[in-house]
Amino acid sequence: DAGITQSPRYKITETGRQVTLMCHQTWSHSYMFWYRQDLGHGLRLIYYSAAADITDKGEVPDGYVVSRSKTENFPLTLESATRSQTSVYFCASRGLADEQYFGPGTRLTVT
Amino acid sequence: KNQVEQSPQSLIILEGKNCTLQCNYTVSPFSNLRWYKQDTGRGPVSLTIMTFSENTKSNGRYTATLDADTKQSSLHITASQLSDSASYICVVSGRDMRFGAGTRLTVKP
Repeated sequence: DAGITQSPRYKITETGRQVTLMCHQTWSHSYMFWYRQDLGHGLRLIYYSAAADITDKGEVPDGYVVSRSKTENFPLTLESATRSQTSVYFCASRGLADEQYFGPGTRLTVT
Repeated sequence: KNQVEQSPQSLIILEGKNCTLQCNYTVSPFSNLRWYKQDTGRGPVSLTIMTFSENTKSNGRYTATLDADTKQSSLHITASQLSDSASYICVVSGRDMRFGAGTRLTVKP
């Protein structure tokens, strides 16, 4: 299917576990982004990538790691999950006119 | 303090009524302003984009306005429908993108 997909859609994990959230886009967009969305806050940028093998920190990068070996994939890893990382995570890619296209989100609960 | 403030936080209206959502920002320099609609359990979807020189832009029943001098934008929804129930997010781009916390709109029959 064309577009941007995320997996899993829902995840429950325990404190201290490593978790990887997947993001895949079929448009070959250069830029990709990871955001977290918490109640009362706007979307906050965790990491972004300008191209394969080029990544950079956003506003709230602590506790997260990203990689981008292929243009279409941009996984986000929580190295040692904490309760404060309970959130909804959105992946996005940037197309023409700088418009961002968002995935459906992953709801992560850390117990 | 967030550089993009939206009001109200939530709003309930009856189907068929109009409503206006507000966005005030302090982002500088300014490149463009977008309004996104986010249905429950989904990612945001762009409704409109406005640049510095644009005052008004429409997308069906949605009309966005921008006053770059006062750094204010509004999103007006005409003849609301049940499917308009969603969160509406104002996003201002400058050196980077700044997101408002959103207005949660509920349209009741």
